[in-house]
Amino acid sequence: GIQVEQSPPDLILQEGANSTLRCNFSDSVNNLQWFHQNPWGQLINLFYIPSGTKQNGRLSATTVATERYSLLYISSSQTTDSGVYFCAVDDKIIFGKGTRLHILP
Amino acid sequence: KAGVTQTPRYLIKTRGQQVTLSCSPISGHRSVSWYQQTPGQGLQFLFEYFSETQRNKGNFPGRFSGRQFSNSRSEMNVSTLELGDSALYLCASSSALSVYGYTFGSGTRLTVV
Repeated sequence: GIQVEQSPPDLILQEGANSTLRCNFSDSVNNLQWFHQNPWGQLINLFYIPSGTKQNGRLSATTVATERYSLLYISSSQTTDSGVYFCAVDDKIIFGKGTRLHILP
Repeated sequence: KAGVTQTPRYLIKTRGQQVTLSCSPISGHRSVSWYQQTPGQGLQFLFEYFSETQRNKGNFPGRFSGRQFSNSRSEMNVSTLELGDSALYLCASSSALSVYGYTFGSGTRLTVV
C-alpha cells in the first residue's frame, strides 16, 4: 500500500516563527488532506489539496503530485497552533505519523 | 450547524467484554468513516459506510464491526475486547463518497483493563 512519511517528527518553535512541514507519499494519490489535531484530540480539516496551492490565513499548503510530496506552511506561529499535524491520502485516508508542533510563548 | 457527535466520550471496559460506540454525522452527510488512534500505530482506518452500505474496510480483525442506519447515524462494535483495543476512536462524516470535506468528531476514548 501507499506509504506516507512526514517530517520532521517534532518541531519546537518560538511564537512568531514560521515553519514548513513536509509529507512524502510513495505512489500517486487521488486526494490529500492536511489535518491539525489539537491537544484535546479534535482533528480539524485544514486543506484538501491533491495538487496545487491553497492559502487560508496564516496557513498555506502546496502539493506537487508529480514529485509525490506536499508542504504545509505556518507563518507567524501562535501557541494555539500547537498540536499534531497529519497529512492523509487516498480513499481510505492513509495517515502519516504526524508532526508534533510545540509553539512556545 | 451541529458537528459530528460521538458518544460516549470516555469508556472503561474489561477484557472479554464488548462495546458499542455511536457516531451522529453532520445533518445531510451520508458517509461515515471510523478510525482508531493509538500511540504506537497512529491513525488507522477501520471502515467507511455510505447509505447503510459498507464501502471500504481497513485491516482489522472481525471483532471490529460497524453499521449505518437509515438516518446516517453509525455504530461500531468491538467484541471480545483486548488490552490492545485501548485507543481513541474517531469518526468522520462527509457529504460525498471521498475524503473531501471530512469533518471529525471529538472521539471516544476507550480503555480496556
